[in-house]
Amino acid sequence: QVQLVQSGAEVKKPGASVKVSCEASGYTFSNYHMHWVRQTPGQGLEWMGIINPSDGSTDCAQKFQGRITMTRDTSSSTVYLELTSLRSEDTALYYCARDRDAGTTASRSFDFWGQGTLVTVSS
Amino acid sequence: SYELTQPPSVSVSPGQTARITCSGDALPKKYAYWYQQKPGQAPVVVRYKDSERPSGIPERFSGSSSGTTVTLTISGVQAEDEADYYCQSIDSSGLYVFFGGGTKLTVL
Repeated sequence: QVQLVQSGAEVKKPGASVKVSCEASGYTFSNYHMHWVRQTPGQGLEWMGIINPSDGSTDCAQKFQGRITMTRDTSSSTVYLELTSLRSEDTALYYCARDRDAGTTASRSFDFWGQGTLVTVSS
Repeated sequence: SYELTQPPSVSVSPGQTARITCSGDALPKKYAYWYQQKPGQAPVVVRYKDSERPSGIPERFSGSSSGTTVTLTISGVQAEDEADYYCQSIDSSGLYVFFGGGTKLTVL
C-alpha cells in the first residue's frame, strides 16, 4: 500500500531554514511526481511546489521562489523540502502529496498524502 | 494570482442534500478536484476531474460543472460527512496549483 511518511515536528527561529523529508513506499518512486502543500493554523491549503523524482526537475509557486528547494534521493525514495529565511507566517503543517497520475506529465492533483510535519517559527 | 472561490460554510440536516460550489475563471478549461479534510487528518480526495469518484468514496458524493462553477453534491448527508471541503484546480497556464478557501460543512 502507498505510504508517505514525513519527518517530525520542527521549531525554528525567524531567519533560519528548515528541511522536511517525505519517504515514499508501496509504489515505484520515480513514476509519480510529488508535491508539497502547507496549511497554516486554522486556515486553508496552499500549494508550494512539485518535484519530478525521475529527473529532479522542480516547479514552485511564485510566492516561494527564491526561498524553496525541493530535492530527492532515489536510493531511499525520499523527497525533501527546504524553506529558508523563515518568518512567523511560515508556521504551518507541511504535507507531501503524491500526484495522481504516473508518468512524465503531472495531473497536478493529489491521491496520497503524508501525515504532515508541523513547523513552528518563533523567537 | 488565480482564485478559486468557495462559500465559507454550508449547513444541512442529516439526510438532506448539501451543495458546495467553487468558482474560478479557468474552470471551463481546467479540471477541478475536491478534497475532504476532517480535524487532525490529511485531506482525502472525493472527486476527480469535476465528476469522477475515486474508489472507496460513497456514491452519495457527486460532482458537476457548469461554466466557471463546479459543484460538489453530497446526497443524503450523514453525520460523518461533517468536514472541511476544498476544491483544487490549476490556472490557465497549467503550471500552478490553487485551492479554494475551503467550505466547512456542518451537519445539524
